[in-house]
Amino acid sequence: EADIYQTPRYLVIGTGKKITLECSQTMGHDKMYWYQQDPGMELHLIHYSYGVNSTEKGDLSSESTVSRIRTEHFPLTLESARPSHTSQYLCASRAGGFEAFFGQGTRLTVV
Amino acid sequence: QQPVQSPQAVILREGEDAVINCSSSKALYSVHWYRQKHGEAPVFLMILLKGGEQKGHDKISASFNEKKQQSSLYLTASQLSYSGTYFCGTPGGGADGLTFGKGTHLIIQP
Repeated sequence: EADIYQTPRYLVIGTGKKITLECSQTMGHDKMYWYQQDPGMELHLIHYSYGVNSTEKGDLSSESTVSRIRTEHFPLTLESARPSHTSQYLCASRAGGFEAFFGQGTRLTVV
Repeated sequence: QQPVQSPQAVILREGEDAVINCSSSKALYSVHWYRQKHGEAPVFLMILLKGGEQKGHDKISASFNEKKQQSSLYLTASQLSYSGTYFCGTPGGGADGLTFGKGTHLIIQP
């Protein structure tokens, strides 16, 4: 059973609002990731972190930002949400080169 | 570089077999396979490492040919629970983040 949690599961918000998607894991993994996935489509890596105070942008350009102040916590923030940000956001963590554990995701709808 | 999966979709009757392929234009050292059911998180199935290893998970097995830069996932005597989207992923993103293929949608009918 994976111990990685995302909140909220669903979020509907108006254009221009600031939002933060939460992701926490209790496995002590150093590497954490954010993926963006449109319905029925592939996962795109948008952010990653090697550990505390390490954050980098991934393959897919994103207007979101992330922070990693604690090992277990990797929140994603959108300063001003737009309809184009509507998607599912999946957080994952990994120890070394082994399997990645995914959270249940946050389905974001910007109206 | 994104791995290429084929086929895009498969519809099977329960008990039939299926093969899903994953290929890459760059050298591979490992291939990861995940299954995602509708509305759920992707779940890890197996990792294939350099050396042509075959791995198994219940009646799901996979092979990896690093010379051909490809991997295949074999689903034998498929069950209804096998329905979902299968993704192959290859390391290459930062912090060993996986780059996933577009996925193969598998539908198992009774």
